[in-house]
Amino acid sequence: SQQGEEDPQALSIQEGENATMNCSYKTSINNLQWYRQNSGRGLVHLILIRSNEREKHSGRLRVTLDTSKKSSSLLITASRAADTASYFCATEATQKLVFGKGTKLTVNP
Amino acid sequence: DVKVTQSSRYLVKRTGEKVFLECVQDMDHENMFWYRQDPGLGLRLIYFSYDVKMKEKGDIPEGYSVSREKKERFSLILESASTNQTSMYLCASSLSTWGTEAFFGQGTRLTVV
Repeated sequence: SQQGEEDPQALSIQEGENATMNCSYKTSINNLQWYRQNSGRGLVHLILIRSNEREKHSGRLRVTLDTSKKSSSLLITASRAADTASYFCATEATQKLVFGKGTKLTVNP
Repeated sequence: DVKVTQSSRYLVKRTGEKVFLECVQDMDHENMFWYRQDPGLGLRLIYFSYDVKMKEKGDIPEGYSVSREKKERFSLILESASTNQTSMYLCASSLSTWGTEAFFGQGTRLTVV
């Protein structure tokens, strides 16, 4: 069973706009991670947030975690065409790293 | 740089064949994972291993087995390939289970005909 569910499934925005993706999960976790996948390639790690953290930043990325609501969000500010990719959240618990179905982001130039 | 290498980028096999997908990592990572990725279903965990000769079933282990005889190598075995195993297979490794990022290989697109 998949732990994380991303929302929306697909998102199309203009270059320069912000993109927000959400992830909901079902059970307690140790940490939550976000990954990016360019078309047909392997995944690349973006950011990790631990269960005792509420917010984390990395460059143009901002991740929040609300363990009471079992949800996380990924914000990409000032998006670029190169941000076009699929984005996945992954939850870690009981030694497993479990991924959701992903959000497909398209940034139009 | 951490490198996770999958032996083939594309593979075509016949129904009923025994198929080996190989994955090698060069960073002495404890954990290794095999996922399959299908459109609309995201990544689903097949098996993972947290030590040499140790393995744990993921969410969809049926029809697959794994082998980890050496720390750097994690093999996925399709005992008798079927057309519903046509998919993208992704291998990953991570330093430890608690709070470390996973590094992915480039993926193997397997077609079973």
